[in-house]
Amino acid sequence: DAGVTQSPTHLIKTRGQQVTLRCSPKSGHDTVSWYQQALGQGPQFIFQYYEEEERQRGNFPDRFSGHQFPNYSSELNVNALLLGDSALYLCASSTGQGNYEQYFGPGTRLTVT
Amino acid sequence: DQQVKQNSPSLSVQEGRISILNCDYTNSMFDYFLWYKKYPAEGPTFLISISSIKDKNEDGRFTVFLNKSAKHLSLHIVPSQPGDSAVYFCAASAREYFNKFYFGSGTKLNVKP
Repeated sequence: DAGVTQSPTHLIKTRGQQVTLRCSPKSGHDTVSWYQQALGQGPQFIFQYYEEEERQRGNFPDRFSGHQFPNYSSELNVNALLLGDSALYLCASSTGQGNYEQYFGPGTRLTVT
Repeated sequence: DQQVKQNSPSLSVQEGRISILNCDYTNSMFDYFLWYKKYPAEGPTFLISISSIKDKNEDGRFTVFLNKSAKHLSLHIVPSQPGDSAVYFCAASAREYFNKFYFGSGTKLNVKP
C-alpha cells in the first residue's frame, strides 16, 4: 500500500515564475491538505481539498491555488514566486469523515532564487 | 498568530533516561492533539495522539499528558533511545476544523549513546 507520494522532490525556480507541485494521497483517503514548512518552523496550513473543492484555507495569498482531481490527487500552484516562498511543501491525506488521522508525504523542497 | 507553541528548540538527553517535550496552546476550541516525529528529508510521521476528553494516553515508550486548564501537553519518552533523535512537532485541531492542524515550531531531540 503506497503512502502519500509527492513530486518533484526538489525544485529550483526564479522569482516571478510559477510552480506546480503534485500529491497522490494514501489509498482510501479522499482529503488532501497542503502545508508550507519554512526552515526552523513548523508546518503552516495552506488549504485543504475535499470532493474536488477547497474546503478550508489558511492565511496564504491568492498566489497559492490548488486543485483536486476525481482520483483524489491534488496539485498546489504558486504564481509570481517570491524568495520567501522557499520552503518544504508537505502534502497530507486523510479521510473526510472527521477522522483526525493524517498521513504526510516526504515533501517537495522548493528553492526560489 | 501562533496558537501552538513549543518553547524549547532543542533537548539533549542521555540514552536510557526520560525525554520530556512540552507544548502550549492558546485556542480553547482545540479538542485533539497529536505528536509527530520528523527525520531529515522525510515528512512528519504520526507518533501519538490524545483527545481532550482524556488526560493521558500511552503507547509503549511514549506517553502524552494533557492539562486542559493550563492548555499544556507534554510527550514523555521512556527510556530514550538514540533512534528517537529527530524533530518532534506538536499539533492541534478541532472537530470544526476538519483536519486543519496547527503546528508548533518543533523541538529537536538528541539522544546521546
